[in-house]
Amino acid sequence: AQSVAQPEDQVNVAEGNPLTVKCTYSVSGNPYLFWYVQYPNRGLQFLLKYITGDNLVKGSYGFEAEFNKSQTSFHLKKPSALVSDSALYFCAVRASGSARQLTFGSGTQLTVLP
Amino acid sequence: DAMVIQNPRYQVTQFGKPVTLSCSQTLNHNVMYWYQQKSSQAPKLLFHYYDKDFNNEADTPDNFQSRRPNTSFCFLDIRSPGLGDAAMYLCATSRVAVGETQYFGPGTRLLVL
Repeated sequence: AQSVAQPEDQVNVAEGNPLTVKCTYSVSGNPYLFWYVQYPNRGLQFLLKYITGDNLVKGSYGFEAEFNKSQTSFHLKKPSALVSDSALYFCAVRASGSARQLTFGSGTQLTVLP
Repeated sequence: DAMVIQNPRYQVTQFGKPVTLSCSQTLNHNVMYWYQQKSSQAPKLLFHYYDKDFNNEADTPDNFQSRRPNTSFCFLDIRSPGLGDAAMYLCATSRVAVGETQYFGPGTRLLVL
């Protein structure tokens, strides 16, 4: 079975400061890892993914994530947060070679304070 | 722009009255998914179509059914909505590939009175 943990329900950060949203995963085999963002009453918007290769993945809107196999983590980061980054963030995992269903974490509400 | 479209964005129905939610896509993706999301929780996969092959999740209630008449359209039918079915329903699509990405529509928020 595959699972994702987002240990923080809520993350607050001041505008201009770096932000980190944490994600750890558990799968059998190699993982495919994804980050999505959701604004109120909207669908999920794809930010970035890790399939293979470079452990540092760059995505939309200045976000990046680092795949750490030994720590089974895929934390989302941004060097300088914007108020408009305030949203709900979901990490998701799928094992390579398995059925295509994604397993989502419980979500982390990011609030960027002006 | 290529996209995933869901109609309507908001749907109000009565307890026990059948309702159909619609999803269409211009991405020409061969996989379409339906998720249920309650109160900012993680989306829960209900079922998906790989081309015409229907794949139902084991814990999806029989009250939920789906149709995919062609590549572009997919429908979610709720035969007898209960109060517990009030949620956001998300449609997503993907193209079969290594590490394929699912692209989501804006969702339909269902209210059951």
